[in-house]
Amino acid sequence: EAQVTQNPRYLITVTGKKLTVTCSQNMNHEYMSWYRQDPGLGLRQIYYSMNVEVTDKGDVPEGYKVSRKEKRNFPLILESPSPNQTSLYFCASSSNQGIPEAFFGQGTRLTVV
Amino acid sequence: AQSVTQPDIHITVSEGASLELRCNYSYGATPYLFWYVQSPGQGLQLLLKYFSGDTLVQGIKGFEAEFKRSQSSFNLRKPSVHWSDAAEYFCAVGAIEDSTLTFGKGTMLLVSP
Repeated sequence: EAQVTQNPRYLITVTGKKLTVTCSQNMNHEYMSWYRQDPGLGLRQIYYSMNVEVTDKGDVPEGYKVSRKEKRNFPLILESPSPNQTSLYFCASSSNQGIPEAFFGQGTRLTVV
Repeated sequence: AQSVTQPDIHITVSEGASLELRCNYSYGATPYLFWYVQSPGQGLQLLLKYFSGDTLVQGIKGFEAEFKRSQSSFNLRKPSVHWSDAAEYFCAVGAIEDSTLTFGKGTMLLVSP
């Protein structure tokens, strides 16, 4: 089954404690991205990757890091989380051949206290 | 850069009534256009997409959308709403040159008995 898998689904952490949210896709997609969703703001792109070892900033990259060492994985790293990063995070992937239809993970609900 | 406007933050529709959710986009060329639905606690699911051809596109769950170039619109419609359609709906525009997706802020659909 084609899918994007994020882990964990829920995470509560303390300010300043580094964390990683994993994302993996099994569709051999070149393009992957991270979004955060906040009430009234819709989905805002954090980072995206056009292919292995190619990443770029989205609209709200501050406080986040990503890496793309393998095609299937695109982890999101928060080196020093702060309460304003409390949000719902989505990973998505799509092929850059043809229509960029995005497939989304189930989301990660992050709370930083 | 592309942008998407969903003018309605909330819409309430009676069960069995028709529905239209509005979406306006800004993009320099013919865009890829999408509608996604997010049920409570779930990820985003693709309802339908448009990139060329017939301007009226059919999607899943009985939804359709019409692309109107002259109005830069891609409104979502359903002739008869069911209680299970209550969810948040996102319109998105995809850039041809780099596959990035830009989302609107979403419209929350409430269905009354």
